[in-house]
Amino acid sequence: AQSVSQHNHHVILSEAASLELGCNYSYGGTVNLFWYVQYPGQHLQLLLKYFSGDPLVKGIKGFEAEFIKSKFSFNLRKPSVQWSDTAEYFCAVRYGGSQGNLIFGKGTKLSVKP
Amino acid sequence: NAGVMQNPRHLVRRRGQEARLRCSPMKGHSHVYWYRQLPEEGLKFMVYLQKENIIDESGMPKERFSAEFPKEGPSILRIQQVVRGDSAAYFCASSPSEGIRYNEQFFGPGTRLTVL
Repeated sequence: AQSVSQHNHHVILSEAASLELGCNYSYGGTVNLFWYVQYPGQHLQLLLKYFSGDPLVKGIKGFEAEFIKSKFSFNLRKPSVQWSDTAEYFCAVRYGGSQGNLIFGKGTKLSVKP
Repeated sequence: NAGVMQNPRHLVRRRGQEARLRCSPMKGHSHVYWYRQLPEEGLKFMVYLQKENIIDESGMPKERFSAEFPKEGPSILRIQQVVRGDSAAYFCASSPSEGIRYNEQFFGPGTRLTVL
């Protein structure tokens, strides 16, 4: 079955630490990959996406992600986190075409200590 | 351009009642998706609709749940005879048919349903 795994349930970092959140998906042919963020009390917002081309994708707020096809991974990174990055982060995958449902990981809560 | 609107934001129902959740997509968007989020879980796909058509309802429970997206007005997710297990956050997303962001989904704030 198609699935998405996020390795960490809760990550706690100090400000200025580097961040890497893992995301793996099951094989299923062509994929579109997304990272969404949900700040406390707010709705999901798109951080970045990958459809094709350069596997290193840059998103908003200094986030980036790298698509490694051989590992079925799409890990999210940020060199230096800020307190304002405290949020829940969701990896999502769409199998097949450009429209259709997303399959989400369970999410990773990030807490950044000031 | 207003974002995806959902109402109500919070809904409390007693077991056996009906719940109606509304979603107004972003202007110009003709694709609507409904997802459900249970505590400590990620979002689970329920149904994908275009105007007057259900495209994919593979994630919808077979009984008590239905969805529509009429030609005019918001998309409605309807849950009949609610049970405690229906308590969850229900998110709607919309996407355009064309344009530079045609393959992105934009999410609403969600409706938190509590069944007593």
